[in-house]
Amino acid sequence: AQSVTQLGSHVSVSEGALVLLRCNYSSSVPPYLFWYVQYPNQGLQLLLKYTSAATLVKGINGFEAEFKKSETSFHLTKPSAHMSDAAEYFCAVSDPVSGGYNKLIFGAGTRLAVHP
Amino acid sequence: GAVVSQHPSWVICKSGTSVKIECRSLDFQATTMFWYRQFPKQSLMLMATSNEGSKATYEQGVEKDKFLINHASLTLSTLTVTSAHPEDSSFYICSAPTRGAEETQYFGPGTRLLVL
Repeated sequence: AQSVTQLGSHVSVSEGALVLLRCNYSSSVPPYLFWYVQYPNQGLQLLLKYTSAATLVKGINGFEAEFKKSETSFHLTKPSAHMSDAAEYFCAVSDPVSGGYNKLIFGAGTRLAVHP
Repeated sequence: GAVVSQHPSWVICKSGTSVKIECRSLDFQATTMFWYRQFPKQSLMLMATSNEGSKATYEQGVEKDKFLINHASLTLSTLTVTSAHPEDSSFYICSAPTRGAEETQYFGPGTRLLVL
């Protein structure tokens, strides 16, 4: 069975600073991994996804994530935070064999705050 | 990108009443939709898979008689919380995947239910 752990329910950074949101997964098979962002009163929006191709995945809004099998991690980074990045971020895993892209298991989420 | 809407965005009801939540894919057709439940400061939990033209598939531990799902058309799925109780208070989110070589799930903005 798959599971996802997001370390840190709240992360606060200064505008212009590096953003690092941590995600570790547990999976018995090579997983598909996703990062979603949720702005207030909006639906979840896909930032990026890993589907067994390149281990460094680039997404929208300058975010990227690196799949590290040895560390079972898929941390999300952005070199320079912007005020508009303040939101809730969710890491998710799916089983490509039984669930494909659709049956997602989510982490608890990390709320990112960006201060001037 | 594709848009998924939910209605209502929030609802308050008395214990024992039933509440219907609608999920619509606005600019694409979806033979499958998904319903999630999110408790405060917790993960999104997949409740069920809504299938157009057939019965929904419920996840383990989710009462199908409590949470009725109807996928009436290729753009509409409804979740009815029957005989709601305070413990049913939660944030309910739906999603719908687009077709293509790589499916992507698009999420609705969620419906917050408060049962008094």
